Amino acid sequence: GNSVTQMEGPVTLSEEAFLTINCTYTATGYPSLFWYVQYPGEGLQLLLKATKADDKGSNKGFEATYRKETTSFHLEKGSVQVSDSAVYFCALSPTGTASKLTFGTGTRLQVTL
Amino acid sequence: GAGVSQSPSNKVTEKGKDVELRCDPISGHTALYWYRQRLGQGLEFLIYFQGNSAPDKSGLPSDRFSAERTGESVSTLTIQRTQQEDSAVYLCASSLLRGGGVTDTQYFGPGTRLTVL
Repeated sequence: GNSVTQMEGPVTLSEEAFLTINCTYTATGYPSLFWYVQYPGEGLQLLLKATKADDKGSNKGFEATYRKETTSFHLEKGSVQVSDSAVYFCALSPTGTASKLTFGTGTRLQVTL
Repeated sequence: GAGVSQSPSNKVTEKGKDVELRCDPISGHTALYWYRQRLGQGLEFLIYFQGNSAPDKSGLPSDRFSAERTGESVSTLTIQRTQQEDSAVYLCASSLLRGGGVTDTQYFGPGTRLTVL
C-alpha cells in the first residue's frame, strides 16, 4: 500500500537558518504529493503541492521538488522565520481518481531568535 | 468565503457512550473526507464521500464507526460504544471534483478533539 515517511522532529533552528525536512514515499504509479502545515492552534493548511515528476511546488518561500527517481519530496526554505514554527506534514494521493490522502507522521519545526 | 467547519470543537465522553461529530463542508464541494489524528501520529484516513457514489469506508477501524452525508452538505461521524483508544482529533476535509472523478485540493476543518475517559 501507499506510505509516507518523513524525518522525525522536533527540528530546532535559529531564525534565518536553512531548512530541510525530508520526505520519501512508497506508491504505485505517479501520485500527487503535498506538504500541509499546521500552525499552533490552527487547522491543517495546504502549503504546496506537485502533481507530476520534476514539478516544483512553492509557496511562502518554501519549495519542494517531486523526485520520481528517489521517491522523495523534501521541503526546503532558505531562511526560516519564527512565524514558520509549526508542524509540517508530507502527504500523497493516488494517481488518477485521487481521493484519500496518506500522511506522514509530521515534523515539528521550532524557530528561535 | 466560509471554510470547513466542525462541531463540537471539544468533546469529553465516558467509555461506552456514543458520540456524534459534525462537519459542514465548503459550499459546492462534492467530496468530503474524515481523518483521525492520534496524539503524536499522522492523520489516518477514515471515510470518503464523493457526490452520489457509494462512500469509500475502507479506513473505518471497526463497525463502531459510521458516517453519513446528506446530499452534498453536512456529514456526521458517529462512534458507538466509545473506547479510550478512540481519543483523537477528528478532522474533516472537503474538495471539488474535477473531470474524470479526480479530486482537487482538500481543505481541512479545525477538527474535533475527542477525549474518552
